[in-house]
Amino acid sequence: DIVMTQSPDSLAVSLGERATINCKSSQSVFYSPVNKNYLAWYQQKPGQPPKLLIYWASTRVSGVPDRFSGSGSATDFTLTISSLQAEDVAVYYCQQYYDTPRAFTFGPGTKVHIK
Amino acid sequence: QVQLVQSGSELKKPGASVKVSCKASGYTFTNHAMNWVRQAPGQGLEWVGSINPNTGNPTYAQGFTGRFVFSLDTSVSTAYLQITSLKAEDTAVYYCARPVGYYDSSGEFRSYYFVDWGQGTPVTVSS
Repeated sequence: DIVMTQSPDSLAVSLGERATINCKSSQSVFYSPVNKNYLAWYQQKPGQPPKLLIYWASTRVSGVPDRFSGSGSATDFTLTISSLQAEDVAVYYCQQYYDTPRAFTFGPGTKVHIK
Repeated sequence: QVQLVQSGSELKKPGASVKVSCKASGYTFTNHAMNWVRQAPGQGLEWVGSINPNTGNPTYAQGFTGRFVFSLDTSVSTAYLQITSLKAEDTAVYYCARPVGYYDSSGEFRSYYFVDWGQGTPVTVSS
C-alpha cells in the first residue's frame, strides 16, 4: 500500500499568518494518462466528521474559502492556509486515492492551532 | 442535498457483535459505492473498505477481513457495517462516506475522494 506521511505533526500559527502543511507519498500518485494527482485534503474539527477541502491535489471544493490552496505533484504535496482564521483550528489529513479501488490511505494528520 | 445519517452510539462487551447503519438520501444510492472509515480515540483516519451497491461486492482493507462485513439494503438506501467477535481495539468512531467516482467497464466502482460523510457512530467495546 502507498504510505502517506505528513509534516509537521502540529503547527502553531498566529491569526492572519500563513500555515503550511506537507504531505508525502511513498510512491507517485500522479496518473499520467489523465494528467492528475490522486490526492485529497480533508479538515476535521473536534467532534465532527472530516470535510473535503481539496481534490486532484489543487481543486478547491465549492464553498471552501480561497485562503485554502493545494499544490504539488507526484510524491510531494502542500496545503496552504494563506491567512489563518480562528475557525481553521482543526486537524488536516491528506489522502491518496491512486490505489482505487483496492486501498485508500490517509496521512497521520497535522493539528493546526493558534499561537 | 446529500445526507448520510448513521445509527447511534453502541456499547458492547468483548466477543459481541455490532451492526452500524448508514442511511443515504439526496442521490441515487446505486450510483456510488459506500466507503467505511474508522477513527480510534485520538487517532487518525483509517479506511476500512467499501461496497459496490450494484453488485453487493465488498472490498476490505488489509486488517479488516474476517470480522468486518459490509451489506446493503438498496430498497431503503442503507449500508451496514457489522463487526463480529468485538475486541477492545475495535473501539472507535466509524464513518460512512460517499465517494466521487465511476463504474468501470467491469462494473467495479472506482472511488476517488470522499465528498460526503456520515456523522459517525461511536462503538465502545468494554467489559
